[in-house]
Amino acid sequence: DGGITQSPKYLFRKEGQNVTLSCEQNLNHDAMYWYRQDPGQGLRLIYYSQIVNDFQKGDIAEGYSVSREKKESFPLTVTSAQKNPTAFYLCASSIRPPGQGFTGELFFGEGSRLTVL
Amino acid sequence: AQSVTQPDIHITVSEGASLELRCNYSYGATPYLFWYVQSPGQGLQLLLKYFSGDTLVQGIKGFEAEFKRSQSSFNLRKPSVHWSDAAEYFCAVGADRGSTLGRLYFGRGTQLTVWP
Repeated sequence: DGGITQSPKYLFRKEGQNVTLSCEQNLNHDAMYWYRQDPGQGLRLIYYSQIVNDFQKGDIAEGYSVSREKKESFPLTVTSAQKNPTAFYLCASSIRPPGQGFTGELFFGEGSRLTVL
Repeated sequence: AQSVTQPDIHITVSEGASLELRCNYSYGATPYLFWYVQSPGQGLQLLLKYFSGDTLVQGIKGFEAEFKRSQSSFNLRKPSVHWSDAAEYFCAVGADRGSTLGRLYFGRGTQLTVWP
C-alpha cells in the first residue's frame, strides 16, 4: 500500500544534540512538507519542497534543516540551535497533476514525537 | 496574509446530537478549503475539501461542510455524532498560485469530546 512512513515514532534527545527524522513516501508525490504541532497551536510549517533538490523555508525554519535528494525522501534535522524542540512532527506530501497547480490536499504520515531530556 | 480561525478550542456533545464546528478564513484569492481530523498520536486524515462548484460538500464519515464566501466561513457539520468521532479537527486554507503555492495554513484545531 502507498503511503508516508515516518521514523522513529518516538525519539529522545539530550540538549545540544542534533537529531534527524526520516520521512519516506511511495505515493510518487511531487511536494513534501514538514509541520510541527504543539498543543493548542495547530500545525506550523517548518520547510517544504516542491521538487527534488529544491526546498523553501516555512514559518518556523530556524533551528531546522532539510534535504531533498530523492523524490521519495525528505529528512528533517533538528539542530542544537532549535531552542524548544520538544514537539510532535508531521511529514506530508501532495501531488501536482500534470498541467495543473498543486491542489493543496495533503497526505500525512503518523508523526514522530521528539522529547528533549 | 492568509489565516484560519477556529473559535472553539473544545466542544462537548452527547452521542447522537448534531455537531457544527466553526471555521473562518482570511485569504485574498479564491481559496481551497479543507477539514482534517486527527486521532491522538496519529497523523491527519482528510475529511472533505472544497475547490470550486457546489458550496455544500460531502465528506467521509457522514460529515459535510458549507462554503459561505460572504461570511468567509467553512463550517463542518454532522447530523448525529458517534462516540468514534471524538478527535481533534483542523480547518485549513490553501491555493495553487503565487507565493503560497502548494502550502496550507491551518487553524489551531477544535477538540471534540463525545459523551455516551
